Amino acid sequence: QSVLTQPPSASGTPGQRVTISCSGSSSNIGSNTVNWYQQLPGTAPKLLIYSNNQRPSGVPDRFSGSKSGTSASLAISGLQSEDEADYYCAAWDDSLNGLYVFGTGTKVTVL
Amino acid sequence: EVQLVESGGGLVQPGGSLRLSCAASGFTFSSYDMHWVRQGTGKGLEWVSAIGTAGDTYYAGSVKGRFTISRENAKNSLYLQMNSLRAGDTAVYYCARRVEYCTTIGCDYGMDVWGQGTTVSVSS
Repeated sequence: QSVLTQPPSASGTPGQRVTISCSGSSSNIGSNTVNWYQQLPGTAPKLLIYSNNQRPSGVPDRFSGSKSGTSASLAISGLQSEDEADYYCAAWDDSLNGLYVFGTGTKVTVL
Repeated sequence: EVQLVESGGGLVQPGGSLRLSCAASGFTFSSYDMHWVRQGTGKGLEWVSAIGTAGDTYYAGSVKGRFTISRENAKNSLYLQMNSLRAGDTAVYYCARRVEYCTTIGCDYGMDVWGQGTTVSVSS
C-alpha cells in the first residue's frame, strides 16, 4: 500500500506544461528528499529526479521537481509524445512504513 | 555496460517458496546498496527490501518475516528468498541499484539502475 498520494491521471497537449503533485507526511517527504521515476509502458522505472530537484545526467531539463513541507511536485514543460508514461514520486521513510516508499503513481497522457 | 538481470520467477502455490536472483555486471557490485521493488499487474511500485554494503537488511512490513534478502559479492549477485507466499505477492519483481549523489553538503540517493524484472505468480 502506497504511503505517498498522487493524482491518478494528468494530461496535456504537446508543448503544454503538466504538473503532478505528491503528498506525504513528516516521516517521509517532510524529513527526507524526494525522487521521481518515469515508467514507460512495459519497461522498468527510470530515475528522473533525485534530491527534490536534481536531474541525473541525460534527463532533459523539461523535467523539474520541487518540494515544500510534506508535499512535492514534478513539472513537465514542453510536453512531448514520448513523455506519455507513469510517474512515481518516492522518498526515504523514517517510520515503520519501511525504508523507502513510493507514490500511488500518475498516468500522464499526451492528447 | 552497467546491467542487472533478474531470474527465478515462476508460478508457485500459496504457502510455497521461491528464490529470486539478480546478476549484476559492469560496476563494482560490493560498493552499492541494493533493493528489490515489486509491481502487481496494473498496480503501482512497492518497495520490498534492501541490503547495505555491510549486509544490513531492511524489509517492508508486508514481507517482514517471510522474505530474506542476501547478497554474494564474489558472485556479483543479489537474492530474495520468498517463503509463505500469498496471492498478494504476485507481481513483477525488480532489483535496483542505489546510487549516491554527494556534494559538500551531504549525500542524496536514488535508484539509478534497474533490471528488466522477473514475474512471480502465486496461485493454486
